[in-house]
Amino acid sequence: SAVISQKPSRDICQRGTSLTIQCQVDSQVTMMFWYRQQPGQSLTLIATANQGSEATYESGFVIDKFPISRPNLTFSTLTVSNMSPEDSSIYLCSVTASGSTDTQYFGPGTRLTVL
Amino acid sequence: AQRVTQPEKLLSVFKGAPVELKCNYSYSGSPELFWYVQYSRQRLQLLLRHISRESIKGFTADLNKGETSFHLKKPFAQEEDSAMYYCALYAGGNEKLTFGTGTRLTIIP
Repeated sequence: SAVISQKPSRDICQRGTSLTIQCQVDSQVTMMFWYRQQPGQSLTLIATANQGSEATYESGFVIDKFPISRPNLTFSTLTVSNMSPEDSSIYLCSVTASGSTDTQYFGPGTRLTVL
Repeated sequence: AQRVTQPEKLLSVFKGAPVELKCNYSYSGSPELFWYVQYSRQRLQLLLRHISRESIKGFTADLNKGETSFHLKKPFAQEEDSAMYYCALYAGGNEKLTFGTGTRLTIIP
């Protein structure tokens, strides 16, 4: 399995500002994903972070609001732009290991509170 | 599109009693099913996957294609089993992992 770290682990932000969350993996991985887990809710996939190309967004999520970068096979960032209190959530990075495209491993999450 | 349903949001079971967390899915092809678990203050982690046909921490899950179910079972609950459990489906290729809404299991001492 891959070891995944996320920064920051938590943050409290003001409405209208932006926050960039980093996801670092200790080995090269095939796929990287970003999820949102709102309070009391299940995980919702935001997008698949593609190395060297634009991310693939799920219905209801757009690049202007959640720009994603993936400059290499071990690192990705998710930015939550122009935040509102409705963006308060846990944001999770997950990966599939090379050679295993189905099993996902999750980072510890970033707990975001927007005031 | 695939869908995963976990009908119980909350489940409380006495220690030593059997546990069954229900999961039903809808998908026209042959899915791969998983159970993920999130203990308090820990990250989401894989518990088991149906193709491995293994028992992890005493838990088993059998894929029933006729009933489109993948229920998680344990014969004797332990206090450390208290956690949030998510059933998930993978449709293959570059398809995403689809999660159910989760069941919070509480084991009563």
